[in-house]
Amino acid sequence: GNSVTQMEGPVTLSEEAFLTINCTYTATGYPSLFWYVQYPGEGLQLLLKATKADDKGSNKGFEATYRKETTSFHLEKGSVQVSDSAVYFCALRLSGGSNYKLTFGKGTLLTVNP
Amino acid sequence: NAGVTQTPKFRVLKTGQSMTLLCAQDMNHEYMYWYRQDPGMGLRLIHYSVGEGTTAKGEVPDGYNVSRLKKQNFLLGLESAAPSQTSVYFCASNSPDRGLSYEQYFGPGTRLTVT
Repeated sequence: GNSVTQMEGPVTLSEEAFLTINCTYTATGYPSLFWYVQYPGEGLQLLLKATKADDKGSNKGFEATYRKETTSFHLEKGSVQVSDSAVYFCALRLSGGSNYKLTFGKGTLLTVNP
Repeated sequence: NAGVTQTPKFRVLKTGQSMTLLCAQDMNHEYMYWYRQDPGMGLRLIHYSVGEGTTAKGEVPDGYNVSRLKKQNFLLGLESAAPSQTSVYFCASNSPDRGLSYEQYFGPGTRLTVT
């Protein structure tokens, strides 16, 4: 079946540190990949996405590259801020037909200290 | 444009009681979803709907029922609440788009406690 595996949290960093959150996937087809972010007390919102191999999604200083050869979509940011403290979810969606459902990883809690 | 809204925001139930969670979206989306979020489990799909009058089971449907009588509303019902249903419930919606990304838009969540 389809699954997403994220690095276990929580992750605690100091402001301006480099962030990497690992995400790997297993899929029977050719998926689109997403990172969602959940700020405290809120619902999830899309952070970035990539729909084919070697695509790089980017938003708000975050980046992730779709690596088909390693089935990975690691999230990176060069310099985190306190406001980046949130839970980050990696997700996939199989492309084609009526495949519109998302499969989520378990989430990684990031805390950034000043 | 309110996006996706959920009612109520918080609720405490006793075991065996029933309740209905309401999700409403004003984006004219075809598809709607109910998820539950539990610590260390991520989001798990309960039920979903691909259009008015249609519903389908997701990953963890037991103990829940849903209805989609109007395109903009998706109701999640608990007929006889159990402590295992203590969770945060999220509704989401989307529609097919040309980019094929099918981005889902989420509501703010309902925190349910069953004692």
